Amino acid sequence: QKEVEQNSGPLSVPEGAIASLNCTYSDRGSQSFFWYRQYSGKSPELIMSIYSNGDKEDGRFTAQLNKASQYVSLLIRDSQPSDSATYLCASRRVNTGFQKLVFGTGTRLLVSP
Amino acid sequence: GAVVSQHPSRVICKSGTSVKIECRSLDFQATTMFWYRQFPKQSLMLMATSNEGSKATYEQGVEKDKFLINHASLTLSTLTVTSAHPEDSSFYICSARALGRDEQYFGPGTRLTVT
Repeated sequence: QKEVEQNSGPLSVPEGAIASLNCTYSDRGSQSFFWYRQYSGKSPELIMSIYSNGDKEDGRFTAQLNKASQYVSLLIRDSQPSDSATYLCASRRVNTGFQKLVFGTGTRLLVSP
Repeated sequence: GAVVSQHPSRVICKSGTSVKIECRSLDFQATTMFWYRQFPKQSLMLMATSNEGSKATYEQGVEKDKFLINHASLTLSTLTVTSAHPEDSSFYICSARALGRDEQYFGPGTRLTVT
């Protein structure tokens, strides 16, 4: 079992719809979670971080964390064609011995005009 | 804020030569930097983690004598690919994290082609 799992997609949504991206993790010691967006041929860009159970909103993006279910999601409202990219979920233990992020393989999102 | 730069953005070198890639945090002090490699249509692969002033910690399967990492200051880390071969051609990306912060910020990447 991978530590961070994502459906590879592609997830196809029409412009203006809500895109829902999901991620599960296996390490119960994980305490920090991140969503990155990666356009083809580019490096990842941090979208959001979330540390507590519940929702965190930033503009059109909402991250959701449920530690009991070991589940993280990212909702993109009013999806735009420019949101078409691969979305990477990552987790990290908050422990001095565990500095690195563990990434999922990413979900490819396609937003059609 | 939280800008990370990499230089060069693209490099072509001949087989057997060495290439140095620089990673700089421009507006924060990066106590920890990470080096990744990504092949086309594949996932990010962490190569090593470096802390300022310490030896880098390499991931399993990454040759430390081939991929030399130096993190000499709080704003600069370098990756040197020694005796490069065509199979080392890849997209190399660094990321940086500030002291006391959890977020990692990525540089724009360096595309290495070995001929």
